[in-house]
Amino acid sequence: ETGVTQTPRHLVMGMTNKKSLKCEQHLGHNAMYWYKQSAKKPLELMFVYSLEERVENNSVPSRFSPECPNSSHLFLHLHTLQPEDSALYLCASSPGALDRQYFGPGTRLTVL
Amino acid sequence: KQEVTQIPAALSVPEGENLVLNCSFTDSAIYNLQWFRQDPGKGLTSLLLIQSSQREQTSGRLNASLDKSSGRSTLYIAASQPGDSATYLCAVAGGTSYGKLTFGQGTILTVHP
Repeated sequence: ETGVTQTPRHLVMGMTNKKSLKCEQHLGHNAMYWYKQSAKKPLELMFVYSLEERVENNSVPSRFSPECPNSSHLFLHLHTLQPEDSALYLCASSPGALDRQYFGPGTRLTVL
Repeated sequence: KQEVTQIPAALSVPEGENLVLNCSFTDSAIYNLQWFRQDPGKGLTSLLLIQSSQREQTSGRLNASLDKSSGRSTLYIAASQPGDSATYLCAVAGGTSYGKLTFGQGTILTVHP
């Protein structure tokens, strides 16, 4: 599947760095999502955007800041992260919020 | 709070066997249930989506069933192949949170030649 792309694929950052994850979908979908996948834990939803408006914030710490400038692009801005934030961050999109979700390949984040 | 459980956690079978993966959920007020496949270090691939009003969906060698009242779904894989080796994830879309999928822990499937 190349409908949803994510960059970078791998990221190593220190606790004081600021970085951003990017997601782009080429499917004409209206909803986009950020998920976190940690070792030994189920996939966790972080944020949902529908038509560029945030409709769900699943109790995510403020050191994670999402941005959806248009329906095709989604960013996750990171600052002052903790080592426990190391995980695979997955982006997904769907035509509508209750439709089948299509996932990107993920960004493997390591926080030192 | 919705909880999703998948059994078994891991399964190893010889090539050619038919197999069943199980998924259970605690809150039956769902919109739909999806089965995904995840290869190591990769994103998820959607396999099947069953609406809450449906009983089953089929795609090739895959068949998924849904019994909403009992909070259960099964994924049946016929004539398994080594290429089916992956982690299979079950996720439910609940009735109270907009667009929120709640995932199970997954079943790690290994099909050996």
